[in-house]
Amino acid sequence: KAGVTQTPRYLIKTRGQQVTLSCSPISGHRSVSWYQQTPGQGLQFLFEYFSETQRNKGNFPGRFSGRQFSNSRSEMNVSTLELGDSALYLCASSLEGPSGGNEQFFGPGTRLTVL
Amino acid sequence: QKEVEQDPGPLSVPEGAIVSLNCTYSNSAFQYFMWYRQYSRKGPELLMYTYSSGNKEDGRFTAQVDKSSKYISLFIRDSQPSDSATYLCAMSRSTASKLTFGTGTRLQVTL
Repeated sequence: KAGVTQTPRYLIKTRGQQVTLSCSPISGHRSVSWYQQTPGQGLQFLFEYFSETQRNKGNFPGRFSGRQFSNSRSEMNVSTLELGDSALYLCASSLEGPSGGNEQFFGPGTRLTVL
Repeated sequence: QKEVEQDPGPLSVPEGAIVSLNCTYSNSAFQYFMWYRQYSRKGPELLMYTYSSGNKEDGRFTAQVDKSSKYISLFIRDSQPSDSATYLCAMSRSTASKLTFGTGTRLQVTL
């Protein structure tokens, strides 16, 4: 079956702009999590959506937001981009949740560069 | 101080060696412990998960959790060049709660 897909794969923006990233989970998966990965901080949890509701949230400013649609596809939005937002943004999906025996499948990520 | 600490490496070992990768953590509420492998330019993939303390073996991989010491390990036996990747530990309080990751250890297995 098809894996997790993320679009676009690469993105270049300038400071102050906003950006929307998209994630299509594996068919049947209801949980979608978003992560930011940088060399210095590693993988940091942004938020998780389950059945269109935000169930968990990480410690990121309100400029980072997301949503999930009825078909489980998810988007994340970053407003007023800052240079420090340059990172690999990963989306992961699972049947019921991100942990325990629920295997979480990651997409290839969107590489965002803020100039 | 980070909730999960992991030596970033890089760790270089010859083919066939036993590799030991470790993480320490500070939050005693963590119950689920996972190891992910990430190849360059790819998303992480789940290698193993363990609930609470104990050992779990899967082929050449063994995961150990010592909750009393807040210390987890991943052992790779008979390491292969294809094991060269970044290994990330992750943990959570419950099956529905967020994952907290270590920063990852970069492993290089040489011929």
